[in-house]
Amino acid sequence: ETGVTQSPTHLIKTRGQQVTLRCSSQSGHNTVSWYQQALGQGPQFIFQYYREEENGRGNFPPRFSGLQFPNYSSELNVNALELDDSALYLCAVSYRLAGGPGTQYFGPGTRLTVL
Amino acid sequence: AQSVTQLDSQVPVFEEAPVELRCNYSSSVSVYLFWYVQYPNQGLQLLLKYLSGSTLVESINGFEAEFNKSQTSFHLRKPSVHISDTAEYFCAVRMGPEGGSEKLVFGKGTKLTVNP
Repeated sequence: ETGVTQSPTHLIKTRGQQVTLRCSSQSGHNTVSWYQQALGQGPQFIFQYYREEENGRGNFPPRFSGLQFPNYSSELNVNALELDDSALYLCAVSYRLAGGPGTQYFGPGTRLTVL
Repeated sequence: AQSVTQLDSQVPVFEEAPVELRCNYSSSVSVYLFWYVQYPNQGLQLLLKYLSGSTLVESINGFEAEFNKSQTSFHLRKPSVHISDTAEYFCAVRMGPEGGSEKLVFGKGTKLTVNP
């Protein structure tokens, strides 16, 4: 319904490398959130961007960073990859209204494997 | 801090049987509540949500959930399940109007398996 796309679908990296994951939506959702879903777990909030600025961060180290572009597409960057970074990375888009709850719509995810 | 507990990690049922997936949350402020469904190797799809108003909310495919503030619960139910309902279901909570971030806090998920 929202046409949220993520690329790549799958990715294999080695420990210590850096990775960039991408997210975009067809609709003009002004807020994007990133989540990490480890195997057998629920998604964990990494951070959120609203109008190109970080607006909330979960319990993740600074080597997890992000960007939101004027067209509302977004990137998640992870430096110095560790084995525990292996997970499904999900982006979610929403439209923030003043005082209103923005429902989040998720993309299909990027499966990252760190060897 | 908010947290979500999904009491059952796995729920096996037979086709056409009723099912209830339990979800409890803890929060000191008002919340919005969501159920998402995840099919194998896919992202999350919104199933239903409680924002305000009627405490009973329904989805288009026969699921319903009831917000119970006194018991801090948001259990998901369906009177008759189909094979195609086999998936993992996640309950999520986010802060109400007092909150600035739209961060969702998820439970660990309940894997529903519908057997013929």
